[in-house]
Amino acid sequence: AQSVTQLDSHVSVSEGTPVLLRCNYSSSYSPSLFWYVQHPNKGLQLLLKYTSAATLVKGINGFEAEFKKSETSFHLTKPSAHMSDAAEYFCVVSPYQFYFGTGTSLTVIP
Amino acid sequence: EAGVTQSPTHLIKTRGQQATLRCSPISGHTSVYWYQQALGLGLQFLLWYDEGEERNRGNFPPRFSGRQFPNYSSELNVNALELEDSALYLCASSLYSGTGISHFYYEQYFGPGTRLTVT
Repeated sequence: AQSVTQLDSHVSVSEGTPVLLRCNYSSSYSPSLFWYVQHPNKGLQLLLKYTSAATLVKGINGFEAEFKKSETSFHLTKPSAHMSDAAEYFCVVSPYQFYFGTGTSLTVIP
Repeated sequence: EAGVTQSPTHLIKTRGQQATLRCSPISGHTSVYWYQQALGLGLQFLLWYDEGEERNRGNFPPRFSGRQFPNYSSELNVNALELEDSALYLCASSLYSGTGISHFYYEQYFGPGTRLTVT
């Protein structure tokens, strides 16, 4: 069975400080993992994906994530938060069907 | 390259009516997925179409149905609308084609959504 747990429903950081959004997964198969971002009243945009290549994945807008099989985690990080990063973030596990986490709302304080 | 498009942007219906939502995938994508994003419930998988056939279905009643056309565009129909059907309906497309487990896990590209309001 496949599932995703996003450990924080809401994260608040100050502008210029690091961002950490946590995601744990469960999968019966070798998973692909994705992070998506959703700005208010918008569709979802792909930030990055892991598909069994390098365990450290770099995405758009300075985000990156590390796949840790031993910990079944795929946490999303960014060294320095920007105001435009405020959005809802979804961790997703697949094969062939996407299983979404419940989302983490990121607030960036000026 | 054009992204996934959805129409209409907003749709207002009354309880008991039928709603039809449309989606055009990215050119070359054969798979189309439908999701419901209701307030407080996250993204719930509705339907997956690939090569014109329904491949998988989420835990939704039969009044949620759809189809995929030969040009790979798709339509989601919701019959006998209920108030709790009010949500953002998102369509996504991907390159995935075929059945079963694939070692090639394609990302999904999402459209902007259709906001359905049932009064």
